[in-house]
Amino acid sequence: RKEVEQDPGPFNVPEGATVAFNCTYSNSASQSFFWYRQDCRKEPKLLMSVYSSGNEDGRFTAQLNRASQYISLLIRDSKLSDSATYLCVVNNYNQGGKLIFGQGTELSVKP
Amino acid sequence: DTAVSQTPKYLVTQMGNDKSIKCEQNLGHDTMYWYKQDSKKFLKIMFSYNNKELIINETVPNRFSPKSPDKAHLNLHINSLELGDSAVYFCASSQVRMGLAKNIQYFGAGTRLSVL
Repeated sequence: RKEVEQDPGPFNVPEGATVAFNCTYSNSASQSFFWYRQDCRKEPKLLMSVYSSGNEDGRFTAQLNRASQYISLLIRDSKLSDSATYLCVVNNYNQGGKLIFGQGTELSVKP
Repeated sequence: DTAVSQTPKYLVTQMGNDKSIKCEQNLGHDTMYWYKQDSKKFLKIMFSYNNKELIINETVPNRFSPKSPDKAHLNLHINSLELGDSAVYFCASSQVRMGLAKNIQYFGAGTRLSVL
């Protein structure tokens, strides 16, 4: 079983749609959680950290359920520029800061 | 100013050759990483150095040897290149502090290695 699992997609949605991505992780000792975004042929960039109480950044909302070992990302009012691969990332810094990446969920927003 | 820069951006070479990829960060971070992203887009850590000390060494062939001359630089040398080494290699850096459960990593633009 992979340490971090995501639905690879692709998700094809029209502009303005709301889209949700799910992620599960297997290591209950994981301590911090992130969503990274990777554009085609570019490097991954931090989109947002995920906090236990849930957090929002503009159109993006992240949720964490430690009991279920589940992380989600909700994107409201999708823009064309949101088209990218979204990477669910987990960190157990007792492992020296190693980030464990999911395989990514591809999003394509169409006009 | 590019925060994490790696060179070269593209590397095309023959099987059996030896090549190096260089990485530098100007963020003042104390920890640097090498990741490999394969054709299936899976991003996997290879090595990590904290203040020039190796702290993560995943199951990687010993043809791969990282070197950190100082905390701002982490280079990757690959001996006897094989077809399966073709991938995108990303360097990253972060400031890891014990007791602080956040490890935000900043990535370089990647080196696209093609072994023919």
